[in-house]
Amino acid sequence: GQNIDQPTEMTATEGAIVQINCTYQTSGFNGLFWYQQHAGEAPTFLSYNVLDGLEEKGRFSSFLSRSKGYSYLLLKELQMKDSASYLCAVLNYGGSQGNLIFGKGTKLSVKP
Amino acid sequence: DARVTQTPRHKVTEMGQEVTMRCQPILGHNTVFWYRQTMMQGLELLAYFRNRAPLDDSGMPKDRFSAEMPDATLATLKIQPSEPRDSAVYFCASGLSPVDGRGGYTFGSGTRLTVV
Repeated sequence: GQNIDQPTEMTATEGAIVQINCTYQTSGFNGLFWYQQHAGEAPTFLSYNVLDGLEEKGRFSSFLSRSKGYSYLLLKELQMKDSASYLCAVLNYGGSQGNLIFGKGTKLSVKP
Repeated sequence: DARVTQTPRHKVTEMGQEVTMRCQPILGHNTVFWYRQTMMQGLELLAYFRNRAPLDDSGMPKDRFSAEMPDATLATLKIQPSEPRDSAVYFCASGLSPVDGRGGYTFGSGTRLTVV
């Protein structure tokens, strides 16, 4: 089976740091994505990790541990506009296959 | 900026009617996904295509849903007959395989379907 788990909701304060965790169990693995989705809008790409370690991109960083089936998204210097859902997604296979399976998302509320 | 175009943006239809949703992927992208999003289930994968060939539609109710890609510039998702439980937002996403780690897969704005 395939399972991607994230917390349903999180709350943080403007200017703070928040870490959103994602654990996965899938029949194959060819990379992990993080997407941001504001209410009523389409998901937008944030990051992609295929090797273990930390990828930093401005205020956002993403970490992957393939042996533990674990990733996190780190958001620094939180802004009100960061209030959104954050979706973890696993690319299941490489080569000619490769379906992209999403977790149910973590709704982040940033408070003043 | 290149974008994925979905039409219509909104659709209200009566139960039993046929619904067709369209997606124009970004030029040059060889992979297209169809997703359905609801509050309860999140983003569910319905079908996907690689180089216009259907690779997996196991997430799609076969008796009423069909997905096609008649050419590289158009993907369609059809529901016939539609039911109230099909009410959801349907997203199309396109990208490159092997995956482009810089940009991932790009989503269209979605079709919000309401079946009454």
